[in-house]
Amino acid sequence: DTEVTQTPKHLVMGMTNKKSLKCEQHMGHRAMYWYKQKAKKPPELMFVYSYEKLSINESVPSRFSPECPNSSLLNLHLHALQPEDSALYLCASSQARQALGYTFGSGTRLTVV
Amino acid sequence: SQQGEEDPQALSIQEGENATMNCSYKTSINNLQWYRQNSGRGLVHLILIRSNEREKHSGRLRVTLDTSKKSSSLLITASRAADTASYFCATANQAGTALIFGKGTTLSVSS
Repeated sequence: DTEVTQTPKHLVMGMTNKKSLKCEQHMGHRAMYWYKQKAKKPPELMFVYSYEKLSINESVPSRFSPECPNSSLLNLHLHALQPEDSALYLCASSQARQALGYTFGSGTRLTVV
Repeated sequence: SQQGEEDPQALSIQEGENATMNCSYKTSINNLQWYRQNSGRGLVHLILIRSNEREKHSGRLRVTLDTSKKSSSLLITASRAADTASYFCATANQAGTALIFGKGTTLSVSS
Protein backbone atom coordinates (compact mmCIF):
# COMPACT_ATOMS: atom_id res chain seq x y z
CA ASP A 1 0.00 0.00 0.00
CA THR A 2 1.67 3.21 -1.17
CA GLU A 3 -1.15 5.62 -0.51
CA VAL A 4 -2.21 8.22 1.97
CA THR A 5 -5.97 8.24 2.34
CA GLN A 6 -7.79 11.35 3.49
CA THR A 7 -11.45 11.54 4.43
CA PRO A 8 -13.73 13.23 3.81
CA LYS A 9 -12.85 14.62 0.38
CA HIS A 10 -15.17 17.58 0.86
CA LEU A 11 -16.53 19.14 4.04
CA VAL A 12 -18.84 22.09 4.60
CA MET A 13 -19.18 23.20 8.19
CA GLY A 14 -20.67 26.07 10.12
CA MET A 15 -18.62 28.25 12.40
CA THR A 16 -20.10 26.60 15.50
CA ASN A 17 -19.59 23.02 14.32
CA LYS A 18 -17.03 20.48 15.44
CA LYS A 19 -15.65 18.20 12.77
CA SER A 20 -12.60 16.04 12.20
CA LEU A 21 -10.39 15.30 9.23
CA LYS A 22 -8.82 11.88 9.00
CA CYS A 23 -5.61 10.70 7.37
CA GLU A 24 -4.37 7.12 7.14
CA GLN A 25 -1.27 5.45 5.75
CA HIS A 26 0.07 1.90 5.88
CA MET A 27 3.55 2.42 4.49
CA GLY A 28 5.26 2.23 7.86
CA HIS A 29 6.08 5.92 7.73
CA ARG A 30 6.69 7.34 11.18
CA ALA A 31 6.40 11.04 10.26
CA MET A 32 3.09 12.59 9.32
CA TYR A 33 2.22 16.15 8.39
CA TRP A 34 -0.71 18.50 8.02
CA TYR A 35 -0.50 21.28 5.44
CA LYS A 36 -3.04 23.97 4.60
CA GLN A 37 -3.30 25.27 1.05
CA LYS A 38 -5.26 28.28 -0.12
CA ALA A 39 -6.11 28.76 -3.77
CA LYS A 40 -3.12 29.55 -5.99
CA LYS A 41 -0.75 29.37 -3.01
CA PRO A 42 1.79 26.76 -1.92
CA PRO A 43 1.03 24.32 0.90
CA GLU A 44 1.80 25.82 4.31
CA LEU A 45 3.07 23.58 7.07
CA MET A 46 0.77 23.31 10.09
CA PHE A 47 1.86 20.32 12.19
CA VAL A 48 4.46 17.57 12.18
CA TYR A 49 4.20 14.30 14.07
CA SER A 50 7.22 12.09 14.48
CA TYR A 51 6.79 8.67 16.12
CA GLU A 52 3.27 9.70 17.16
CA LYS A 53 4.54 12.75 19.03
CA LEU A 54 3.88 16.32 17.99
CA SER A 55 7.23 17.78 16.99
CA ILE A 56 6.25 20.95 15.14
CA ASN A 57 3.31 23.31 15.56
CA GLU A 58 3.69 26.23 13.22
CA SER A 59 1.81 28.63 15.52
CA VAL A 60 -1.50 27.25 14.37
CA PRO A 61 -4.61 28.65 16.14
CA SER A 62 -6.02 26.39 18.83
CA ARG A 63 -9.24 25.91 16.87
CA PHE A 64 -7.17 23.33 14.97
CA SER A 65 -6.25 20.38 17.18
CA PRO A 66 -4.14 17.54 15.78
CA GLU A 67 -4.10 14.01 17.11
CA CYS A 68 -2.03 10.96 16.24
CA PRO A 69 -3.71 7.91 17.86
CA ASN A 70 -1.26 5.43 16.30
CA SER A 71 1.50 5.22 13.73
CA SER A 72 -0.96 4.88 10.83
CA LEU A 73 -3.54 7.48 11.68
CA LEU A 74 -3.55 11.26 11.92
CA ASN A 75 -6.57 13.37 12.75
CA LEU A 76 -7.22 17.08 12.63
CA HIS A 77 -10.04 18.22 14.90
CA LEU A 78 -11.78 21.43 13.92
CA HIS A 79 -13.82 23.66 16.20
CA ALA A 80 -15.17 27.20 15.88
CA LEU A 81 -13.50 27.80 12.54
CA GLN A 82 -13.69 31.03 10.59
CA PRO A 83 -14.55 31.46 6.90
CA GLU A 84 -10.91 32.31 6.22
CA ASP A 85 -10.01 28.78 7.31
CA SER A 86 -11.62 27.48 4.13
CA ALA A 87 -8.86 25.75 2.21
CA LEU A 88 -7.52 22.43 0.98
CA TYR A 89 -6.07 20.48 3.91
CA LEU A 90 -3.36 18.07 2.89
CA CYS A 91 -1.90 15.21 4.85
CA ALA A 92 1.49 13.73 4.00
CA SER A 93 3.79 11.06 5.38
CA SER A 94 7.47 10.18 5.08
CA GLN A 95 10.19 8.14 6.67
CA ALA A 96 10.75 9.53 10.14
CA ARG A 97 12.95 12.55 10.66
CA GLN A 98 13.74 12.88 6.99
CA ALA A 99 12.13 15.50 4.84
CA LEU A 100 12.47 13.20 1.83
CA GLY A 101 9.96 12.05 -0.73
CA TYR A 102 6.66 12.87 0.91
CA THR A 103 3.58 10.89 -0.02
CA PHE A 104 0.53 13.14 -0.04
CA GLY A 105 -3.13 12.37 0.27
CA SER A 106 -5.62 13.95 -2.14
CA GLY A 107 -6.74 16.42 0.48
CA THR A 108 -9.94 17.55 2.14
CA ARG A 109 -11.58 20.58 0.59
CA LEU A 110 -12.99 22.47 3.60
CA THR A 111 -15.55 25.24 3.33
CA VAL A 112 -16.54 27.15 6.46
CA VAL A 113 -19.86 28.96 6.20
CA SER B 1 12.60 32.00 5.22
CA GLN B 2 14.03 28.99 3.41
CA GLN B 3 11.09 28.89 1.07
CA GLY B 4 11.93 28.58 -2.60
CA GLU B 5 10.75 31.09 -5.10
CA GLU B 6 9.75 29.79 -8.49
CA ASP B 7 9.61 31.63 -11.74
CA PRO B 8 7.76 32.08 -13.89
CA GLN B 9 4.54 32.11 -11.87
CA ALA B 10 2.65 30.88 -14.94
CA LEU B 11 3.75 29.29 -18.19
CA SER B 12 1.66 28.45 -21.25
CA ILE B 13 3.08 26.31 -24.04
CA GLN B 14 1.98 24.03 -26.88
CA GLU B 15 2.23 20.26 -26.78
CA GLY B 16 5.64 19.07 -27.85
CA GLU B 17 7.45 22.14 -26.57
CA ASN B 18 9.82 22.12 -23.63
CA ALA B 19 8.91 23.79 -20.34
CA THR B 20 11.50 25.23 -17.99
CA MET B 21 10.76 26.50 -14.51
CA ASN B 22 13.21 27.87 -12.01
CA CYS B 23 13.50 27.86 -8.25
CA SER B 24 15.68 29.95 -5.98
CA TYR B 25 16.19 29.35 -2.28
CA LYS B 26 17.85 31.23 0.53
CA THR B 27 19.85 28.94 2.81
CA SER B 28 22.15 25.94 2.44
CA ILE B 29 20.40 22.67 1.62
CA ASN B 30 21.03 18.93 1.68
CA ASN B 31 18.64 18.34 -1.19
CA LEU B 32 15.94 20.01 -3.23
CA GLN B 33 12.75 18.31 -4.36
CA TRP B 34 10.17 18.99 -7.05
CA TYR B 35 6.50 18.15 -6.74
CA ARG B 36 3.56 18.31 -9.12
CA GLN B 37 -0.01 19.13 -8.17
CA ASN B 38 -2.93 18.58 -10.47
CA SER B 39 -5.79 20.99 -9.90
CA GLY B 40 -7.16 20.70 -6.39
CA ARG B 41 -5.43 17.41 -5.69
CA GLY B 42 -2.53 16.20 -3.56
CA LEU B 43 1.09 16.72 -4.49
CA VAL B 44 3.14 14.06 -6.19
CA HIS B 45 6.87 13.75 -5.63
CA LEU B 46 8.72 14.02 -8.95
CA ILE B 47 12.42 14.09 -8.28
CA LEU B 48 15.02 14.81 -5.62
CA ILE B 49 18.44 16.22 -6.28
CA ARG B 50 21.10 16.17 -3.58
CA SER B 51 23.39 19.09 -2.87
CA ASN B 52 26.41 17.26 -4.33
CA GLU B 53 24.62 16.60 -7.62
CA ARG B 54 24.49 19.07 -10.49
CA GLU B 55 22.00 17.36 -12.77
CA LYS B 56 19.52 14.53 -12.57
CA HIS B 57 17.19 12.92 -15.09
CA SER B 58 13.96 11.00 -14.75
CA GLY B 59 12.10 10.19 -17.94
CA ARG B 60 11.19 13.52 -19.57
CA LEU B 61 12.31 15.45 -16.50
CA ARG B 62 15.68 17.05 -16.07
CA VAL B 63 16.61 18.88 -12.89
CA THR B 64 19.70 20.98 -12.37
CA LEU B 65 21.07 22.42 -9.17
CA ASP B 66 23.52 25.27 -8.76
CA THR B 67 24.33 25.60 -5.07
CA SER B 68 26.59 28.59 -5.67
CA LYS B 69 23.61 30.51 -7.04
CA LYS B 70 21.13 28.79 -4.74
CA SER B 71 18.95 27.88 -7.69
CA SER B 72 17.45 24.88 -9.42
CA SER B 73 15.61 24.36 -12.67
CA LEU B 74 13.10 21.77 -13.81
CA LEU B 75 12.91 21.01 -17.51
CA ILE B 76 10.04 19.00 -18.94
CA THR B 77 10.79 17.92 -22.48
CA ALA B 78 8.21 17.22 -25.18
CA SER B 79 5.34 18.47 -23.02
CA ARG B 80 1.93 16.82 -23.12
CA ALA B 81 -1.49 18.13 -22.16
CA ALA B 82 -1.33 15.79 -19.15
CA ASP B 83 1.64 17.82 -17.84
CA THR B 84 -0.75 20.69 -17.11
CA ALA B 85 -0.37 21.21 -13.37
CA SER B 86 1.34 23.34 -10.74
CA TYR B 87 4.95 22.56 -9.98
CA PHE B 88 6.58 23.32 -6.64
CA CYS B 89 10.13 23.12 -5.46
CA ALA B 90 10.67 22.24 -1.82
CA THR B 91 13.52 22.37 0.64
CA ALA B 92 13.76 21.23 4.23
CA ASN B 93 13.36 23.54 7.20
CA GLN B 94 16.43 24.30 9.29
CA ALA B 95 15.94 21.21 11.45
CA GLY B 96 15.55 19.05 8.35
CA THR B 97 12.26 17.73 9.69
CA ALA B 98 9.70 19.20 7.32
CA LEU B 99 9.43 20.47 3.78
CA ILE B 100 8.77 24.08 2.95
CA PHE B 101 7.32 24.71 -0.50
CA GLY B 102 8.03 27.47 -2.94
CA LYS B 103 5.32 29.58 -4.52
CA GLY B 104 4.98 27.31 -7.53
CA THR B 105 4.74 27.58 -11.30
CA THR B 106 1.43 26.89 -13.02
CA LEU B 107 2.05 25.13 -16.32
CA SER B 108 -0.61 24.98 -19.01
CA VAL B 109 0.03 22.76 -22.03
CA SER B 110 -2.44 23.10 -24.86
CA SER B 111 -2.95 20.64 -27.68
